[in-house]
Amino acid sequence: DSGVTQTPKHLITATGQRVTLRCSPRSGDLSVYWYQQSLDQGLQFLIQYYNGEERAKGNILERFSAQQFPDLHSELNLSSLELGDSALYFCASSVEFRYTFGSGTRLTVV
Amino acid sequence: AQSVTQLDSHVSVSEGTPVLLRCNYSSSYSPSLFWYVQHPNKGLQLLLKYTSAATLVKGINGFEAEFKKSETSFHLTKPSAHMSDAAEYFCVVRGFYGGSQGNLIFGKGTKLSVKP
Repeated sequence: DSGVTQTPKHLITATGQRVTLRCSPRSGDLSVYWYQQSLDQGLQFLIQYYNGEERAKGNILERFSAQQFPDLHSELNLSSLELGDSALYFCASSVEFRYTFGSGTRLTVV
Repeated sequence: AQSVTQLDSHVSVSEGTPVLLRCNYSSSYSPSLFWYVQHPNKGLQLLLKYTSAATLVKGINGFEAEFKKSETSFHLTKPSAHMSDAAEYFCVVRGFYGGSQGNLIFGKGTKLSVKP
C-alpha cells in the first residue's frame, strides 16, 4: 500500500457519459497530481492541486475538471466521454521531492 | 522546456546478465531526476532519485543510476537481471519552472524483457 488510494480501480462506461475518479493522498501531502496513461500518448500530466487550490494545468481537456477538497482528497471529473478517453488514470501526492503514486483507475469507454 | 528521452523502447536481456536502460535529459537548470518502474497491470513504483547530491544513486532491488552532467545522461543499471525485473521503466524529470514547476515529466518508457 503506497498510501495513496484511488477509487474505483476499474470503470466501464458508455460514450457520452460522465464519471468521477477519486484520490486520497498520502497523509500529510498537500499536493495532488493527476496523470493519464494511454498507449499512444504515454504518461501525460493533467492537473495539479496544492492545499485546495489549482497550481498547474497540463494537457487536460475542457471536458475534464478536477478539484481538491478541504480534507485534501481530490476528484477528477470526466464528461462527454469518448472512446479515446479510455486510459489508466493515476493520482500522485507529494511533499518536496517525495512523490507517491496510487495504483490507478482503469477507465474503459465502450 | 525540460524533457527526458529514453533511447530504447524495448530492451531484452538474459537472466543473470547486466541491465542498461538509457536516458538523456534536457534542462536549463540542475535537474531532479527519477526512475520509476511499472509492472504489468500495476502502479508506479519509485526505484531511485537524484536531487543534486551524490552523482551515483543507489535504488531498490539492486538498481543504480549515475548522473553525468557532461553527457546529460541518467542511465539505469543493474549488474544481474532477475526474471522479476521484467517491467516498464520510466525516466522522469521534475519540472522546474512555469506551468511544469513541481510536476513530473515522464519519458516514453523502456520495456525490459528478461529471458530465462
